[in-house]
Amino acid sequence: KNQVEQSPQSLIILEGKNCTLQCNYTVSPFSNLRWYKQDTGRGPVSLTIMTFSENTKSNGRYTATLDADTKQSSLHITASQLSDSASYICVPNPNQGGKLIFGQGTELSVKP
Amino acid sequence: DTAVSQTPKYLVTQMGNDKSIKCEQNLGHDTMYWYKQDSKKFLKIMFSYNNKELIINETVPNRFSPKSPDKAHLNLHINSLELGDSAVYFCASSQDRGAVNEKLFFGSGTQLSVL
Repeated sequence: KNQVEQSPQSLIILEGKNCTLQCNYTVSPFSNLRWYKQDTGRGPVSLTIMTFSENTKSNGRYTATLDADTKQSSLHITASQLSDSASYICVPNPNQGGKLIFGQGTELSVKP
Repeated sequence: DTAVSQTPKYLVTQMGNDKSIKCEQNLGHDTMYWYKQDSKKFLKIMFSYNNKELIINETVPNRFSPKSPDKAHLNLHINSLELGDSAVYFCASSQDRGAVNEKLFFGSGTQLSVL
């Protein structure tokens, strides 16, 4: 049973455009949710963390939202750049001693 | 300065061989992990060590044996490699085990190909 569903699986956009990535989760209990960015050939890097009580948080051109009631999160990227091409992974934390649940990721490709 | 470094980056080997992957972190973290990323891109935890003590051991074949000589190092030894072991293996570390806002720092991965 997949506890984290991300959509779309892949996305191609033109440089300068905006996009929104979705994450639905069924992880319970739930304490927070992180978004990671994974460049090709590299390990994931944390972009932002959303705690249970937060609805939105921005980190530069990245804005994450969280609806803990509907168990949905999104990552909005504004004015995309070529360097945004990567896989974006949603990771809800069930706070079970380090056993994180990773989503499959959305593969974003930004074209010139 | 690389925070979490693992070697080798690429590992190509024959079925049945034994191989090791090394990992070191210079962040002063107490907890280290091994993750496996399969062809479908899911990252799944294999092992976790806290101050050299094994704390997470998921359902992994006993051909996989982690070793932590000190809290800055966590190596992964794999015996009798099988085709299904082909994947990318990531080492990671975190400051506090199981902390509510736990943040993982990953190495660049080791792409293992078993022929």
